[in-house]
Amino acid sequence: DAGVTQSPTHLIKTRGQHVTLRCSPISGHKSVSWYQQVLGQGPQFIFQYYEKEERGRGNFPDRFSARQFPNYSSELNVNALLLGDSALYLCASTERGLAGGGDTQYFGPGTRLTVL
Amino acid sequence: LAKTTQPISMDSYEGQEVNITCSHNNIATNDYITWYQQFPSQGPRFIIQGYKTKVTNEVASLFIPADRKSSTLSLPRVSLSDTAVYYCLVGRLNNNAGNMLTFGGGTRLMVKP
Repeated sequence: DAGVTQSPTHLIKTRGQHVTLRCSPISGHKSVSWYQQVLGQGPQFIFQYYEKEERGRGNFPDRFSARQFPNYSSELNVNALLLGDSALYLCASTERGLAGGGDTQYFGPGTRLTVL
Repeated sequence: LAKTTQPISMDSYEGQEVNITCSHNNIATNDYITWYQQFPSQGPRFIIQGYKTKVTNEVASLFIPADRKSSTLSLPRVSLSDTAVYYCLVGRLNNNAGNMLTFGGGTRLMVKP
């Protein structure tokens, strides 16, 4: 079975642009979470979606948005890119959306975003 | 959210057992403790998860004392390929607010030959 997949692998944008990152969860998993990982730091939680509804939001500005589709795949959108948005963006999926309560969260390989 | 504290870095040698301890003093009743391994430019990889006492799988053991305010990841007989960053997470289960797993800075384990 395929694991969590993310696209694109790498992306280079300039300040002020918009970016869309995509994630496909493990087959059968209904929850997707997004994390931002700046170089040298641990991943920071951005969003969690379960059954196409937002179930959690981290401390990120409104420039960050996401959605989950009927097939449980997800998109993360970032508007008005800043230099500080350069990071590895990670997607993770769980079967029941209970990553903290006994459900196992599986991460994708990430999308490396560079903002120039 | 429960905050975790881990050593910033640790060194070990091939074949040794490595124990990484994580403090989580304000862990909540419903929280599980999860450990991940991450190599550079890759997504974190699940290692082990537990709630109390001891959990063991094919790659590691997790020791959780009765008060659950700390946990210890034990890696038996490490090899060079175990050089990575190890994260301890404590998850807050809340069906209304969703799940917010908080990653700390992690522990950078360096295994030497």
